[in-house]
Amino acid sequence: DIQMTQSPSSLSASVGDRVTITCRASQIISSFLNWYQQKPGKAPKLLIYAASSLQSGVPSRFSGSGSGTDFTLTISSLQPEDFATYYCQQSYSTLSWTFGQGTKVEIK
Amino acid sequence: QVTLKESGPVLVKPTETLTLTCTVSGFSLSNARMGVSWIRQPPGKALEWLAHIFSNDEKSYSTSLKSRLTISKDTSKSQVVLTMTNMDPVDTATYYCARINYDFWSGRYYYYMDVWGKGTTVTVSS
Repeated sequence: DIQMTQSPSSLSASVGDRVTITCRASQIISSFLNWYQQKPGKAPKLLIYAASSLQSGVPSRFSGSGSGTDFTLTISSLQPEDFATYYCQQSYSTLSWTFGQGTKVEIK
Repeated sequence: QVTLKESGPVLVKPTETLTLTCTVSGFSLSNARMGVSWIRQPPGKALEWLAHIFSNDEKSYSTSLKSRLTISKDTSKSQVVLTMTNMDPVDTATYYCARINYDFWSGRYYYYMDVWGKGTTVTVSS
């Protein structure tokens, strides 16, 4: 199975900060990488698919990049509503999908 | 409007079989290249993909849980059913279903889960 490793596991940031979360795959997955945001008690929400495509309705301050094994989710200017946990997920093969362990973004 | 709703027991006993149903609306389970996934999340822990089924009836399962899971769909009822056998307290979690959608470019299909249900909480305890 493909393992997904996110870093950091948590971070503290202030409103207006630029935030970067990294996701690394255990093997090459091309651009088959999605990002989700989850707030406490809520279902996850799709932010980015295919590594860099912004899901409809998602603010443009969110962006994704990367290919191969290393990927990044960037929030250009952190807003109060962005404090949440973020997960990457690979969909390289339809046979098996995996999530990263999550990155919790907290208020500094 | 696309919606998914999970239903099933709130409490199951150890060794019992769990049956969860995902009822979808706003799209058809026969839509080409689309499907439904099941994902779970134990309290305070990360998301874990469990299984999915596509419109062509292609099915896949988590390697670690494959022996315990069965996924099926009833297109006429707009339902996807997941069964998990031999339940254990470590299976206590919120279980989500999500629609699988796709984008096609450069000759490849890129799959992602774009609409999620609210989840159903299952507790395993005697």
